[in-house]
Amino acid sequence: GEDVEQSLFLSVREGDSSVINCTYTDSSSTYLYWYKQEPGAGLQLLTYIFSNMDMKQDQRLTVLLNKKDKHLSLRIADTQTGDSAIYFCAESMDSSYKLIFGSGTRLLVRP
Amino acid sequence: EAQVTQNPRYLITVTGKKLTVTCSQNMNHEYMSWYRQDPGLGLRQIYYSMNVEVTDKGDVPEGYKVSRKEKRNFPLILESPSPNQTSLYFCASRKLDRTGELFFGEGSRLTVL
Repeated sequence: GEDVEQSLFLSVREGDSSVINCTYTDSSSTYLYWYKQEPGAGLQLLTYIFSNMDMKQDQRLTVLLNKKDKHLSLRIADTQTGDSAIYFCAESMDSSYKLIFGSGTRLLVRP
Repeated sequence: EAQVTQNPRYLITVTGKKLTVTCSQNMNHEYMSWYRQDPGLGLRQIYYSMNVEVTDKGDVPEGYKVSRKEKRNFPLILESPSPNQTSLYFCASRKLDRTGELFFGEGSRLTVL
């Protein structure tokens, strides 16, 4: 079945790198996404990666995809206090427009 | 400005009192969906719609109804709310293309006493 798992909490010091991990179960996933939810707001798309890619970089964000292990990670370089939020991993399949979300990882950035 | 608008943002109600949470998008998206967010459970899909007059159940549809009479609107109806429907609700919409960015509303926090 479809399932996306993430650790619930991560705490880092300002200026360090953050790595948020996600595992998914459906090997037919076509796109994998990272969404960010700031307090009191809805989710916003941060970045996505197509399943035939291994890596995608976008400024301070690096997404790594290990399709063999069904493992997705989001690395945030030079983490800032404004990066404190909940980060959701999500997958979608070609055959469906449905997104399956993980439970979210709460990132706390300490000054 | 492209947006998904939900109302109300906050609501406290009592068991059994029917309520509707409205959702409207101005991006001409075909696909609309309702999610509920609960601690430790992430987002779970309640209902979705691929186009006008086309709706389907998500993972947790019990106790909810939806309608899609117009492309821009997708209201969520709780005919007889119960305390286990206390949650944070999100409406979202997207185009039916491959990359599929989902645009979210700001959320509606519902408390059922």
